[in-house]
Amino acid sequence: KQEVTQIPAALSVPEGENLVLNCSFTDSAIYNLQWFRQDPGKGLTSLLLIQSSQREQTSGRLNASLDKSSGRSTLYIAASQPGDSATYLCAVNGGNQFYFGTGTSLTVIP
Amino acid sequence: GAVVSQHPSWVICKSGTSVKIECRSLDFQATTMFWYRQFPKQSLMLMATSNEGSKATYEQGVEKDKFLINHASLTLSTLTVTSAHPEDSSFYICSAPQTSGSSGETQYFGPGTRLLVL
Repeated sequence: KQEVTQIPAALSVPEGENLVLNCSFTDSAIYNLQWFRQDPGKGLTSLLLIQSSQREQTSGRLNASLDKSSGRSTLYIAASQPGDSATYLCAVNGGNQFYFGTGTSLTVIP
Repeated sequence: GAVVSQHPSWVICKSGTSVKIECRSLDFQATTMFWYRQFPKQSLMLMATSNEGSKATYEQGVEKDKFLINHASLTLSTLTVTSAHPEDSSFYICSAPQTSGSSGETQYFGPGTRLLVL
């Protein structure tokens, strides 16, 4: 069974810092991997989608990488802002089911 | 930990029929549940927020009359795809948040329902 782990569980950084969130998965047979943002009381907002054949995707200050062979993905956030404070989830699409990580709670301090 | 179930996991139906998908929180109550869908090779996208005791809130571009949401109780939300067509074929997934004093809010996801409309 696929297991998805996110480290760290919580992260607090001063505004302006660059940061990296980590996601690891146990089964490399995946269709794609997504990174989401979750704000309290709200549904998920999709940030980046990486297909299994891709190695990275970029959107604005966000860059996500995927290394299937090692079962790892990272989400890089450049020049963090207080508005980036949220919980970040990664999800692995195994074809018939999604497997979600437990999330990293990010706080960006002004 | 908390568990969210979905039923059915797979459904194949003819064009024009309606399909109901259930989302249940098995060991906690959820006044809010979320419905998502993912088309092949696309991102999982939020469709609507299901609110117990009131109307659902739909995201822009999602047809309210086509995707009927009923939050019947604190543990059950249903999504009905009315008059389904092949373009509605997708993967539908729900989530329910649980709030605890020490952990804050945690989202629990159902395993998803794959819909194929012929």
